Amino acid sequence: GQQLNQSPQSMFIQEGEDVSMNCTSSSIFNTWLWYKQDPGEGPVLLIALYKAGELTSNGRLTAQFGITRKDSFLNISASIPSDVGIYFCAGPTGNTPLVFGKGTRLSVIA
Amino acid sequence: EPEVTQTPSHQVTQMGQEVILRCVPISNHLYFYWYRQILGQKVEFLVSFYNNEISEKSEIFDDQFSVERPDGSNFTLKIRSTKLEDSAMYFCASSLWGVRTTDTQYFGPGTRLTVL
Repeated sequence: GQQLNQSPQSMFIQEGEDVSMNCTSSSIFNTWLWYKQDPGEGPVLLIALYKAGELTSNGRLTAQFGITRKDSFLNISASIPSDVGIYFCAGPTGNTPLVFGKGTRLSVIA
Repeated sequence: EPEVTQTPSHQVTQMGQEVILRCVPISNHLYFYWYRQILGQKVEFLVSFYNNEISEKSEIFDDQFSVERPDGSNFTLKIRSTKLEDSAMYFCASSLWGVRTTDTQYFGPGTRLTVL
């Protein structure tokens, strides 16, 4: 089935730094979603992207839907301690409502 | 803000026992889902449910699993005879319409299942 590859797997950054992570696939996705998961919680939707080339912001978060439809990136500006968590990209496929990437684990050092 | 709730938050069971995980989806949503996440791994789709029927299921959702909407508010996942490898976080989700490309799925906080 369609798979999503996320990089990096984990990152440690200083508070205040900007963060960039991305998600790629060998096949086309028509929707890209970015979720955040806090420890012991369920995934929470951060940003949804529906059109190739679309650039969408949600506060300090910005995400883009790649023009090839095979990739997406998520940027976080001026990171704060509560940004800690696992960030997943996800998207619907022909036979699965949502397929998730393996996640990028973000740690913020104050 | 409406949210998906799940009970219990943590369930410990012996191998071979039956477990029922419970979810209350958002009240006006029509589509319901179960996902699981083995520790340290990605979230995986198990099953979707609409109009009292399974819409789709993954390879993981074998005969040991079943889902039910026993009343107007609850949505349950039953594992008939648990195995060690069933240990995972199980997430319930719901969406309003189930349109793949534009509808948002809202996830509950999860039930951690530990099979001993």
